[in-house]
Amino acid sequence: GENVEQHPSTLSVQEGDSAVIKCTYSDSASNYFPWYKQELGKGPQLIIDIRSNVGEKKDQRIAVTLNKTAKHFSLHITETQPEDSAVYFCAASLTTDSWGKLQFGAGTQVVVTP
Amino acid sequence: EPEVTQTPSHQVTQMGQEVILRCVPISNHLYFYWYRQILGQKVEFLVSFYNNEISEKSEIFDDQFSVERPDGSNFTLKIRSTKLEDSAMYFCASNGVWQGTGELFFGEGSRLTVL
Repeated sequence: GENVEQHPSTLSVQEGDSAVIKCTYSDSASNYFPWYKQELGKGPQLIIDIRSNVGEKKDQRIAVTLNKTAKHFSLHITETQPEDSAVYFCAASLTTDSWGKLQFGAGTQVVVTP
Repeated sequence: EPEVTQTPSHQVTQMGQEVILRCVPISNHLYFYWYRQILGQKVEFLVSFYNNEISEKSEIFDDQFSVERPDGSNFTLKIRSTKLEDSAMYFCASNGVWQGTGELFFGEGSRLTVL
């Protein structure tokens, strides 16, 4: 089955700096890669996703890149703000097989200090 | 904004007791899921449910677990005889698929503590 590895486990950045989180996946058939943000006491919330036919996607201060050959994808947050502090999870799935069966990474605790 | 709601937010139970966790998915969604997150670990898929039946389940989802959609709005997870290792945060999720986005909407979770 699919296995997703995520690094780093914790990330401290100064407000205004960029944050990068990296994930690798094992199943080359996976074709959907969402990123979720989880704030304390809340459920994961989708912040951006990318499909395997796209190499990069951007939404304001967040962007995701996908390298299918190397089987890794990354989340980039620019101009970080204190409200970006949260746990971020990457995930992968095979949408043709089971759309909502996501395999999650272990999560990255991001702390943005003012 | 539509949301997935879960009850209870926290339940404490004795080992061996039955527990039912409840979820109200987003109203026009077709696919429903349960995930769990043991403290400090990954969010793990348990089961998916579509058209009133389980479409897929993980190896975690053994005979002690069951899911049901008893009416048009609720989606429940039952654990028949809880074990200490069932202590976790349980997340319900839903998506429409027909929307073509694949986005899963998660509830805020039910924390289960088994003593």
